Amino acid sequence: DGGITQSPKYLFRKEGQNVTLSCEQNLNHDAMYWYRQDPGQGLRLIYYSQIVNDFQKGDIAEGYSVSREKKESFPLTVTSAQKNPTAFYLCASSTAGLPETQYFGPGTRLLVL
Amino acid sequence: SQKIEQNSEALNIQEGKTATLTCNYTNYSPAYLQWYRQDPGRGPVFLLLIRENEKEKRKERLKVTFDTTLKQSLFHITASQPADSATYLCALDAHAGNMLTFGGGTRLMVKP
Repeated sequence: DGGITQSPKYLFRKEGQNVTLSCEQNLNHDAMYWYRQDPGQGLRLIYYSQIVNDFQKGDIAEGYSVSREKKESFPLTVTSAQKNPTAFYLCASSTAGLPETQYFGPGTRLLVL
Repeated sequence: SQKIEQNSEALNIQEGKTATLTCNYTNYSPAYLQWYRQDPGRGPVFLLLIRENEKEKRKERLKVTFDTTLKQSLFHITASQPADSATYLCALDAHAGNMLTFGGGTRLMVKP
């Protein structure tokens, strides 16, 4: 089955710790995205990548980092600089052309211990 | 400033009725608008896309309208069912590089 997988489903972070969220897609999509969703709120864009080895900051990139070494993979690292990391993190992918419909993974819920 | 507004209050309707959800935007000129469904603890799922030159789009029990003068989209679910209960998000192509900006979503509850 084609789709996007995210792991883990739940992740716990200790203070001062960096954690990495995994996102893999086998849809052969060029573009990939990371969003953060807080309770009762919409999605806010953290980072996006339209091609391998290139990525851009979204609206709330501070405290996060990404890499795009392979077309299929777009991991997100939540660094210790992100002081309020508790949220639901969603990865998405799309084709590069217009208009873009985004396909989402199941999400990772990050909690702070 | 740019805003995408959806009714943050839950919409409660009776099974069989038509649900109508609203998406209003300001200071955007989107080329297209999309609607997504999100179930609790899950990722959003694409439902419909409507372009700026289209007034209406239908898919089975779903209908979307797009009024660029009013800067508003309406999302209708006819003959609603309890299984339609979810949060519905609208999204506009508002960023450079064809990114999407999402509204806060409206939760729909269909009661049997």
